[in-house]
Amino acid sequence: ETGVTQTPRHLVMGMTNKKSLKCEQHLGHNAMYWYKQSAKKPLELMFVYSLEERVENNSVPSRFSPECPNSSHLFLHLHTLQPEDSALYLCASSQEDTGSETQYFGPGTRLLVL
Amino acid sequence: GQQVMQIPQYQHVQEGEDFTTYCNSSTTLSNIQWYKQRPGGHPVFLIQLVKSGEVKKQKRLTFQFGEAKKNSSLHITATQTTDVGTYFCAGRGSTLGRLYFGRGTQLTVWP
Repeated sequence: ETGVTQTPRHLVMGMTNKKSLKCEQHLGHNAMYWYKQSAKKPLELMFVYSLEERVENNSVPSRFSPECPNSSHLFLHLHTLQPEDSALYLCASSQEDTGSETQYFGPGTRLLVL
Repeated sequence: GQQVMQIPQYQHVQEGEDFTTYCNSSTTLSNIQWYKQRPGGHPVFLIQLVKSGEVKKQKRLTFQFGEAKKNSSLHITATQTTDVGTYFCAGRGSTLGRLYFGRGTQLTVWP
């Protein structure tokens, strides 16, 4: 499946590092999402972008900063993360305005914060 | 706010046994979706249910949507090792509302 791609697939970073996660969707969708998946809280919705505007931010700490330059690309900028931020970060996309849209997930970036 | 509860969190079965996971919402849902995530993989869409009392089948998988549109279930008949993974339900409160995922049920199948 190559509809939604994510890079890198694995990332190890120190607490003082700055890194970015990239997501690209090739499905022509108009909405994109960032999820965090960890053992303690599976599939936490972090951010939602609809038509390139952020429409939802679920109380995510400011050390996570999303960016959606166009409808096909979504970034998650990371800085001064904590060890508890280690998780699988999943990007998804969907076509809104149908009321029954399916979410297509990317393979995820597995992040380890040391 | 919208909540989707899913039980059990874990299920271990012997190959050939049946498996069921249940999803409940505090409010009426406009539709419900089911996803499967294989170990090391990402969630993949399985099916969507929209109508009250709807039942859909995919080979050994049977999906049901409750009459009140507040609960749903996924039943697998005669599990196989390929069924291993985490099954998520995801409900939508209104036609254009956000999708809320349950915690998932992690299925292990012993050969």
